[in-house]
Amino acid sequence: GDSVTQMEGPVTLSEEAFLTINCTYTATGYPSLFWYVQYPGEGLQLLLKATKADDKGSNKGFEATYRKETTSFHLEKGSVQVSDSAVYFCALRDSNYQLIWGAGTKLIIKP
Amino acid sequence: DTGVSQNPRHKITKRGQNVTFRCDPISEHNRLYWYRQTLGQGPEFLTYFQNEAQLEKSRLLSDRFSAERPKGSFSTLEIQRTEQGDSAMYLCASSLVSSGRYNEQFFGPGTRLTVL
Repeated sequence: GDSVTQMEGPVTLSEEAFLTINCTYTATGYPSLFWYVQYPGEGLQLLLKATKADDKGSNKGFEATYRKETTSFHLEKGSVQVSDSAVYFCALRDSNYQLIWGAGTKLIIKP
Repeated sequence: DTGVSQNPRHKITKRGQNVTFRCDPISEHNRLYWYRQTLGQGPEFLTYFQNEAQLEKSRLLSDRFSAERPKGSFSTLEIQRTEQGDSAMYLCASSLVSSGRYNEQFFGPGTRLTVL
């Protein structure tokens, strides 16, 4: 079945560092891909998405590019802030419109 | 507030008791989803409704779990004879799906269940 694998956390960075959180997927067909973020004490929020190969999703300085050849959707940000500390989830939407989730990566940004 | 709301936010119960959670979706959304999330894991799909019809249930949803969405608006998730393994965060999400188009799922803050 479809699955999503993302790098284990926690990832600890200093403020203004470059961020990459890896995400790879296994799926039949061409799923849509998503990054969700969960801030402490809050619900999951959609951060960005991409619906077809080579699409780049972007929001709040975060970017991810849908790479079909490597089945990847890595999340990047050029300069992180303390307020970016959260848990980040990579997910794909399968042909039944169901979301298949990675295990999440906790990001800790130190001032 | 027009987001997805869930009540209660926290529930502590003793093993063997029944619990019921409520989810109020965004008002115009026709799909409502229930997920379960345990510590260090992503959400696991439990079930979803299209309007009032329950269209799919995960194999994770044992006979002790039942969900309803009687008027196509709010939904309830009941767990009977709770077990310690039921301790988790229960998430509700809603979306609008129409004419083959899919809109993002909006999540509520979750109900954290602790079974003692």
